[in-house]
Amino acid sequence: SQTIHQWPATLVQPVGSPLSLECTVEGTSNPNLYWYRQAAGRGLQLLFYSVGIGQISSEVPQNLSASRPQDRQFILSSKKLLLSDSGFYLCAWSQQGAGEKLFFGSGTQLSVL
Amino acid sequence: AQSVTQLDSQVPVFEEAPVELRCNYSSSVSVYLFWYVQYPNQGLQLLLKYLSGSTLVKGINGFEAEFNKSQTSFHLRKPSVHISDTAEYFCAVSNAGGTSYGKLTFGQGTILTVHP
Repeated sequence: SQTIHQWPATLVQPVGSPLSLECTVEGTSNPNLYWYRQAAGRGLQLLFYSVGIGQISSEVPQNLSASRPQDRQFILSSKKLLLSDSGFYLCAWSQQGAGEKLFFGSGTQLSVL
Repeated sequence: AQSVTQLDSQVPVFEEAPVELRCNYSSSVSVYLFWYVQYPNQGLQLLLKYLSGSTLVKGINGFEAEFNKSQTSFHLRKPSVHISDTAEYFCAVSNAGGTSYGKLTFGQGTILTVHP
């Protein structure tokens, strides 16, 4: 069976510090991978998606970047966090050609202070 | 551009009562529609989806939703809720067909609280 791991569950970081959130998927190969964010009082917003190693598409301009160094690993990063980066970050995967069904990780609550 | 509006941010109900969580969307193209549920301390799970065919869609845990194209709505219903249904529910939409990447637009979420 497939599983998705996302960590940490919660994170408190000072403004200007770097960020690295990691997500890994097991039990499948060549998945599509996604990073979503939910800011307070707003819906989930797609930040990045990837259809393969090293292939990253950004949906919105922001202070964040994503990388996919391995087939089932997706990393969300920032060099210098802003207050506005606070939110709930969710990693998700889908099978190639079946993008209408997403499987989500349990999320990371990021608080930038 | 697409948008999704969940009309209620919080819905409190008593156990065994019926519930309806409302969702309206706007899109210039045909859409797929989804409801996701997030239980406390867990990730999002797909509750049900509408891709094509019958406009009444049945999902897990006794939930169902009806796609109304003329009203651009996809309301979620359950005839009798349980304490265990307490969770946050998200409505989402994506473009139908095309590359079928999981590029969903989500609503703001509705917190359903079931009281004994």
